Amino acid sequence: NAGVTQTPKFQVLKTGQSMTLQCAQDMNHEYMSWYRQDPGMGLRLIHYSVGAGITDQGEVPNGYNVSRSTTEDFPLRLLSAAPSQTSVYFCASSRLAGTSGRLDTGELFFGEGSRLTVL
Amino acid sequence: AQSVTQLDSHVSVSEGTPVLLRCNYSSSYSPSLFWYVQHPNKGLQLLLKYTSAATLVKGINGFEAEFKKSETSFHLTKPSAHMSDAAEYFCVVSDRVSDKLIFGTGTRLQVFP
Repeated sequence: NAGVTQTPKFQVLKTGQSMTLQCAQDMNHEYMSWYRQDPGMGLRLIHYSVGAGITDQGEVPNGYNVSRSTTEDFPLRLLSAAPSQTSVYFCASSRLAGTSGRLDTGELFFGEGSRLTVL
Repeated sequence: AQSVTQLDSHVSVSEGTPVLLRCNYSSSYSPSLFWYVQHPNKGLQLLLKYTSAATLVKGINGFEAEFKKSETSFHLTKPSAHMSDAAEYFCVVSDRVSDKLIFGTGTRLQVFP
């Protein structure tokens, strides 16, 4: 019953450093996504993917890269960390409706989050 | 464009009293609406969803929400609060054109003994 697993749970970086947040799901979900959560702003979509080899930008993609080489994994890369990227990051997955490429029920399954601090 | 507004950033209730968390939405289409709950240091979990079937939707842990098109509202209620309900709650609308989920800014519920 692992669901969506994120690592690491906590990370402190210096400005300019790079790192990768890992996300894995074992539910065979086609859709995977990354959100950031900041106080008073709800969750904002960074990048998402509707299947292996397919990624797209969300609302706040700048400063982040993603790739989707397998159905299970969807890592988020920060190439050169900035203090503005201090946040809590959530990975979420979901089923798609058949071959439509659209969300099935719309229910997202979330990981427990990764808290990132950039000094 | 679709949007969602949670009218209260904080709500405090006593254990055993009713809970009301307010959400208004803006949508050009018939929306899908969701409520998620986030307990401290945890990910979000779906409480309930509305997808154009019954307007009164029942969710987990005794929560329910009523879709009111005339008021563009989807308020979350529970008859009697429990200490374990203390969490942050997010109202979410699904944009049926872009298929994106748009999150409200959240309401933090405190429950006092």
